[in-house]
Amino acid sequence: EVRLVESGGGLIQPGGSLRLSCAASGFTFSSYAMTWVRQAPGKGLEWVSTISGGDTTTYADSVDGRFTISRDNSKTMVHLHMNSLRAEDTAVYYCAKAPWFNGDNDYFDFWGQGTLVTVSS
Amino acid sequence: EIVLTQSPDTLSLSPGERATLSCRASQSVSSNYLAWYQQKPGQAPRLVIHGASSRATGIPDRFSGSGLGTDFTLTINRLEPEDFAVYSCHQYASSPWTFGQGTRVEIK
Repeated sequence: EVRLVESGGGLIQPGGSLRLSCAASGFTFSSYAMTWVRQAPGKGLEWVSTISGGDTTTYADSVDGRFTISRDNSKTMVHLHMNSLRAEDTAVYYCAKAPWFNGDNDYFDFWGQGTLVTVSS
Repeated sequence: EIVLTQSPDTLSLSPGERATLSCRASQSVSSNYLAWYQQKPGQAPRLVIHGASSRATGIPDRFSGSGLGTDFTLTINRLEPEDFAVYSCHQYASSPWTFGQGTRVEIK
């Protein structure tokens, strides 16, 4: 059974940094691209970042230069390092698995339950 | 960026009725790279449809997807109590990948 469990969310002041983690199990982790998607309160889903099985990374313009996605295949984990956080980054952050290796033109076949990040002073 | 607009925002129906949800794209979604997800409060989103019309593993056949180009539809026949949720469409044809704002299917 595929399982994705996010952690690391919390309350952080504007300008601060946070690292989200996603622990994956139930599939051959290194063979699939992984993605972070967020959802601000009362809003729709927003793609944030994807890392391919080969470590190629892509970012939404809204987070490019501030967020960094990484993966640790030995621990089957994916991380999202978030710097220079803003109020508009407040959201539930979901980890999601892609059905293929590359992360291009992929839907997301499994999702975690999310972790809440609140950016506020 | 492809903007996806879903309609209606809320659909109030009774169990056993048919739900028809619309997703309209601001430009053509190539290769029908359009997915639908189901979200319930406190739960992980769940893939329902990919490739505009392919049901995901474990999704009952009362769910069907259709459409091409800029107009897509998710149909749920004979609504079951567990189908009441928010449904979001997602295009993965053109980066940045984008989502619709969601349609809430609620019990009338």
